[in-house]
Amino acid sequence: DTGVSQDPRHKITKRGQNVTFRCDPISEHNRLYWYRQTLGQGPEFLTYFQNEAQLEKSRLLSDRFSAERPKGSFSTLEIQRTEQGDSAMYLCASSPGQSQETQYFGPGTRLLVL
Amino acid sequence: AQSVTQLDSHVSVSEGTPVLLRCNYSSSYSPSLFWYVQHPNKGLQLLLKYTSAATLVKGINGFEAEFKKSETSFHLTKPSAHMSDAAEYFCVVSFYMDTGRRALTFGSGTRLQVQP
Repeated sequence: DTGVSQDPRHKITKRGQNVTFRCDPISEHNRLYWYRQTLGQGPEFLTYFQNEAQLEKSRLLSDRFSAERPKGSFSTLEIQRTEQGDSAMYLCASSPGQSQETQYFGPGTRLLVL
Repeated sequence: AQSVTQLDSHVSVSEGTPVLLRCNYSSSYSPSLFWYVQHPNKGLQLLLKYTSAATLVKGINGFEAEFKKSETSFHLTKPSAHMSDAAEYFCVVSFYMDTGRRALTFGSGTRLQVQP
């Protein structure tokens, strides 16, 4: 399967713990996006990378959130000192580049903070 | 400002009957519009997209959508529902940011139930 993959698929953690999620985009896609989706809502944009450069961060991304894409391939999203309000599905998407902007989504990581 | 309104949060149809999922958009520019489908515990899958070519867009699994500028609508239809169509459907409007990112604004979703 050559689609977007995410790991883990599910994560249960206690409030105050740190968690890290990984996203592997489709090979050769230079654009990568993170979204958050809460129950009954559509996804909301968190942050965007073009190659290794993080070009945009949403106001939803508090100081406890950090994302990296060190070599322009896979990306990680870390949440420090998790809160119950962080419980959500975290989706990653990738797209090829300028002329082909359709975003392809991964299966998501579902986070539950107890 | 760009926004999307999905007019029904839930739609229930019988297998073999037509499907209509309604979507209205607001956009300052000529929009690009998408429909995505999300099956339980799965990621979002692109059904179809409109990018200012033909106003009737055909997608996967027999779905199609018609862009109507005068009505600012982009409704999704399928002639005959199948049990496997049961899922959450999202209408999405898209525009370019200064950073080069194509920003996606999602509707709140329509849950389609298909009764046997």
